[in-house]
Amino acid sequence: GAVVSQHPSWVICKSGTSVKIECRSLDFQATTMFWYRQFPKQSLMLMATSNEGSKATYEQGVEKDKFLINHASLTLSTLTVTSAHPEDSSFYICSARVQGVETQYFGPGTRLLVL
Amino acid sequence: AQSVTQPDIHITVSEGASLELRCNYSYGATPYLFWYVQSPGQGLQLLLKYFSGDTLVQGIKGFEAEFKRSQSSFNLRKPSVHWSDAAEYFCAVGGTGGFKTIFGAGTRLFVKA
Repeated sequence: GAVVSQHPSWVICKSGTSVKIECRSLDFQATTMFWYRQFPKQSLMLMATSNEGSKATYEQGVEKDKFLINHASLTLSTLTVTSAHPEDSSFYICSARVQGVETQYFGPGTRLLVL
Repeated sequence: AQSVTQPDIHITVSEGASLELRCNYSYGATPYLFWYVQSPGQGLQLLLKYFSGDTLVQGIKGFEAEFKRSQSSFNLRKPSVHWSDAAEYFCAVGGTGGFKTIFGAGTRLFVKA
């Protein structure tokens, strides 16, 4: 149980285009989903927290107009990187949590390369 | 403020040897503590967690961790390491009331034959 999937697993795009990453909880309803960014050989950096049906809460320094997060259902959250630039290239990981349970379950990650 | 420190950036152990990965935390109340493992290019997999009760916690893949409140530590141990254990290990601390989960910088484990 507690499986989280991400799609796509990797994506290459041209600078200036937008990329959407999906995060799904496959066998449970996730009241809260988190989006992280991870640079090579570094820890996870929390970008934003999204609760189903509410606007996402972004961490300081994360541009909400650039990283659009939608959590439209209890099993799906999406992260859209708008007008992507090479510096947005990174490994993006989502996690999901059930209300009242503190454990986060992580997706396999999406590697984004912006050319 | 809550924080997590993993003092060792990387550790190398021989296959079959015992392992201990260190984790120290700072948190104002009783913390929720986690250990995750990440293989290259993959997401994080939960190894074990401590919320309350017995301070020695058993996890998957033969790992265990001990919560020591007096030392603010939650070290991860395994009696006999396998080559497949080579990965990055993250300690994390969280709490109730909407507190964010904070991750340590990670410890990379290398296993030599």
